[in-house]
Amino acid sequence: SQQGEEDPQALSIQEGENATMNCSYKTSINNLQWYRQNSGRGLVHLILIRSNEREKHSGRLRVTLDTSKKSSSLLITASRAADTASYFCATHAGETSGSRLTFGEGTQLTVNP
Amino acid sequence: DAGITQSPRHKVTETGTPVTLRCHQTENHRYMYWYRQDPGHGLRLIHYSYGVKDTDKGEVSDGYSVSRSKTEDFLLTLESATSSQTSVYFCAISGWGTRYNEQFFGPGTRLTVL
Repeated sequence: SQQGEEDPQALSIQEGENATMNCSYKTSINNLQWYRQNSGRGLVHLILIRSNEREKHSGRLRVTLDTSKKSSSLLITASRAADTASYFCATHAGETSGSRLTFGEGTQLTVNP
Repeated sequence: DAGITQSPRHKVTETGTPVTLRCHQTENHRYMYWYRQDPGHGLRLIHYSYGVKDTDKGEVSDGYSVSRSKTEDFLLTLESATSSQTSVYFCAISGWGTRYNEQFFGPGTRLTVL
């Protein structure tokens, strides 16, 4: 079964608006990661947040993590048409899982020019 | 970009035929993974490898086998393809140094089983 569940499944916004995607997971984690996938391409790593961190920034990306609620959010500010893609969260459960990640089902983001 | 290639990129085959997908990396990295991606399921791990001849099952391993005889190559075999194995298959490797926990993906192989 999937560890992460993203919400919403699809999101459509106008260029310049902010986009927020949420991820919930079920078991304890070592870290949580967000990936982007452009249509027909492989996934690309965006950002990693460790279980002892609450917020992390990278350019126009802001990730929060609430381990008490087992949830994370990805905020993309001032969105651009080029941000149109699917976004996936992935959880790393810790050393007992080696380097394996468990991916959610993804949020399809469409940014309209 | 991480040096990961997959071959073939597209394949159409018939039910019951064997199929082998190849993942090749130039990073000399230890960990490699095979995923399948289907609508409504995200990415699901099929098998992974933590070294030459060291492999283990993921969550959807039934009907698939893997082999890794060299660090740079990780092969995924469908012994007798079924229509339920129509999917997009992605290979990935783990990062290195401070990016050890991240994964880097190949371009994918689109497999259609008729």
